[in-house]
Amino acid sequence: SQQGEEDPQALSIQEGENATMNCSYKTSINNLQWYRQNSGRGLVHLILIRSNEREKHSGRLRVTLDTSKKSSSLLITASRAADTASYFCATDVGGNQFYFGTGTSLTVIP
Amino acid sequence: EADIYQTPRYLVIGTGKKITLECSQTMGHDKMYWYQQDPGMELHLIHYSYGVNSTEKGDLSSESTVSRIRTEHFPLTLESARPSHTSQYLCASSEYFSGTEAFFGQGTRLTVV
Repeated sequence: SQQGEEDPQALSIQEGENATMNCSYKTSINNLQWYRQNSGRGLVHLILIRSNEREKHSGRLRVTLDTSKKSSSLLITASRAADTASYFCATDVGGNQFYFGTGTSLTVIP
Repeated sequence: EADIYQTPRYLVIGTGKKITLECSQTMGHDKMYWYQQDPGMELHLIHYSYGVNSTEKGDLSSESTVSRIRTEHFPLTLESARPSHTSQYLCASSEYFSGTEAFFGQGTRLTVV
């Protein structure tokens, strides 16, 4: 892969629990974005964090970025069954050139 | 709701046929992309465009070709489909400058028999 790798590959949790997904990448980036994909559909943008930011929040989402370790994490708090989807990180290496990771499949059990 | 559309959503076609997957966006975005997504989920960039008359190959070698005659339209063509082309194809668009999000279409699931 050009860039990101997510881990774990799959995650199953109970409704109400927190879900944490990690993304590692290989080269310098301008920003990192997280996307969500429901089964058989296109991707939907969740949140963007710039290379000079360390943490960002949006609703129940919290993203961290550690450029020294070339890694990012996405935390979904108080998960709901509707959060069941695949989650991808995408690195922008410049000029809005997006490289996507392998994805984490999240299942939230009601 | 993103204003980017892909047709068809599903396509089953025989080996050797020529196919064109359509992608249109109404957001006036300069950049457009095609990604191939296999069952293992990873998205591979196969083509992108910076604007009209600009087309570039992505990281994954692909036998497909693209054109960008109009800003809103970025079709992908396979001259002779093969079973190895069976995959999900996702089209996306974004502003030109870094730091903006990509908008995705719903995808075309292609099966070559």
